[in-house]
Amino acid sequence: GAVVSQHPSWVICKSGTSVKIECRSLDFQATTMFWYRQFPKQSLMLMATSNEGSKATYEQGVEKDKFLINHASLTLSTLTVTSAHPEDSSFYICSASRASGSISSYNEQFFGPGTRLTVL
Amino acid sequence: AQSVTQLDSHVSVSEGTPVLLRCNYSSSYSPSLFWYVQHPNKGLQLLLKYTSAATLVKGINGFEAEFKKSETSFHLTKPSAHMSDAAEYFCVVSPPSGGYNKLIFGAGTRLAVHP
Repeated sequence: GAVVSQHPSWVICKSGTSVKIECRSLDFQATTMFWYRQFPKQSLMLMATSNEGSKATYEQGVEKDKFLINHASLTLSTLTVTSAHPEDSSFYICSASRASGSISSYNEQFFGPGTRLTVL
Repeated sequence: AQSVTQLDSHVSVSEGTPVLLRCNYSSSYSPSLFWYVQHPNKGLQLLLKYTSAATLVKGINGFEAEFKKSETSFHLTKPSAHMSDAAEYFCVVSPPSGGYNKLIFGAGTRLAVHP
């Protein structure tokens, strides 16, 4: 149980185009989903946190208009990289947890396999 | 600010020998600490977590980690490495100030296991 999938697993696009990445919780309802970015040989950096039905909370330095996040259902969140440029090339990873964030306890995050984006 | 430092970017061991992956943390508060493993083409998997209970934490696949406040360390160990343990390992801190669901990742340690 607790499987998270991402689609596509890799994508190549031209500079200036937009790319949508899907994150799905396959066997549980995810009220909270997280989007991370991982540069080669570096750690994961949290980009944003989204709760189902509400606007995403972006980390400092992440452009909201550049990285559009939609969490329309309890099993699906999407990340759209708008007007992509070569510097947006990276490995994007999502995770999902069963309950919304509680400050008093940790709700385990289940991670997807990631999507590699290459912008030419 | 909270952070984690993984002291080794690469560790190589022989099958059947002990594994030690080192992690030091920096936190103004009592943190929650985790170790995740990432196998190629698979999502990160939680190995174990420390959340202010027992300082010696046992995880899956024979891994364990000990929280040492005096040394600000949370090293991951396994008595005997298997070939299937070869993967990328991340030490992670979750600061209470950001809500326990915000994870801060270390840079990762790539573990190689050779016959």
